[in-house]
Amino acid sequence: AQSVTQLDSQVPVFEEAPVELRCNYSSSVSVYLFWYVQYPNQGLQLLLKYLSGSTLVKGINGFEAEFNKSQTSFHLRKPSVHISDTAEYFCAVDTGRRALTFGSGTRLQVQP
Amino acid sequence: ETGVTQTPRHLVMGMTNKKSLKCEQHLGHNAMYWYKQSAKKPLELMFVYNFKEQTENNSVPSRFSPECPNSSHLFLHLHTLQPEDSALYLCASSQGGGGDEQFFGPGTRLTVL
Repeated sequence: AQSVTQLDSQVPVFEEAPVELRCNYSSSVSVYLFWYVQYPNQGLQLLLKYLSGSTLVKGINGFEAEFNKSQTSFHLRKPSVHISDTAEYFCAVDTGRRALTFGSGTRLQVQP
Repeated sequence: ETGVTQTPRHLVMGMTNKKSLKCEQHLGHNAMYWYKQSAKKPLELMFVYNFKEQTENNSVPSRFSPECPNSSHLFLHLHTLQPEDSALYLCASSQGGGGDEQFFGPGTRLTVL
């Protein structure tokens, strides 16, 4: 079975500062990795995904993530955050079963 | 309508009521999903349908009964729920292959009194 750990439940950061949201996974098979964002009162929206190839993945809204197989991590980064990035961020894995296993989420709070 | 829609957006029901949640996708996808999102817990996969056939039931209690009449529509029938079933219920769809992006609806906020 696979699992996803998001180490930080909340990350406060000032506007225009860089941010990193951490995600570690465990799986006995190869995985596909995803980051989703959820704004208040909305469903989840895909930020980016890693399927294969280059370990640095670029997504929407200036976010990027790096797949590290040896550390089983897929951390999300943004060099300069905006107030509008305030949301809940979810890391997820798919082992090819067409079903996602999600982490518990990280609430990013961007302060002026 | 585009994307994935869910109705109703909010639902309050008593423990003896019977209600249904509806999900519709306008993306031509083959797979549909129900997830439960409770406060302070990870999203929990409930059911997966692929080409109208249920391919996964994640040990969901029988008081939740899914129905997928075609690839575009997914229902979740609710009866004799418990207060702990109060949550945001999210529907999603995808092409159905491994690694495919899932597109989510806005969810139905369910409160069980």
